[in-house]
Amino acid sequence: EVQLMESGGGLVQPGGSLRLSCAASGFTFSSFGMGWVRQAPGKGLEWVSSISSSSSTIYYADSLKGRFTISRDNVKKSLYLQMNSLRAEDTAVYYCARKIGGYSGYDGWGQGTLVTVSS
Amino acid sequence: QSVLTQPPSASGTPGQRVTISCSGSSSNIGSNTVHWYQQLPGTAPKLLIYNNNQRPSGVPDRFSGSKSGTSASLAISGLQSEDEADYYCAGWDDSLNGVVFGGGTKLTVL
Repeated sequence: EVQLMESGGGLVQPGGSLRLSCAASGFTFSSFGMGWVRQAPGKGLEWVSSISSSSSTIYYADSLKGRFTISRDNVKKSLYLQMNSLRAEDTAVYYCARKIGGYSGYDGWGQGTLVTVSS
Repeated sequence: QSVLTQPPSASGTPGQRVTISCSGSSSNIGSNTVHWYQQLPGTAPKLLIYNNNQRPSGVPDRFSGSKSGTSASLAISGLQSEDEADYYCAGWDDSLNGVVFGGGTKLTVL
């Protein structure tokens, strides 16, 4: 069973930084692409970033480029999202998700971690 | 403003069949596969349909997906109260080089 557990969320001031982590278990982590999707309070889903199994291919949502960095450690079976220069509009639940092989969809999701950007 | 367009709401009575539409363009739905997610209140999204019309293991065959041109649809037959949730379509966009989501459709079972 695919298990994904996010951590690292919390309250941060505008302009601050935060690093999210996602611990994976129940599957061969190094064989799957992964991604981050966020959801602002009361709003819809917004794709943030994705990374291939070997980290060779990385994509970001245009609105986030330059501020967020996705990475992974296949030995530690972990996915990360480094978030810098945070803004109020980055306030959201951030979900870690496993990419379906060969497609752009996500077939496994964590429970999410809440990031609140506020002074 | 979402790249993929969905109706904000839909409704039906138990046992009915409802459909949710998802409209896109040649750079997303028109050239790539569509996926559908179900998000029950207070929970993480769950993959419902992938590759336009494929159901992951465990998803009832009451749920079906289709795609034609730059539009896609999710159909739910034999509507049940537990189907009350938000539904999102999504897919890859070649112009944006990223995943795009629809704005979501809130399904109410009357």
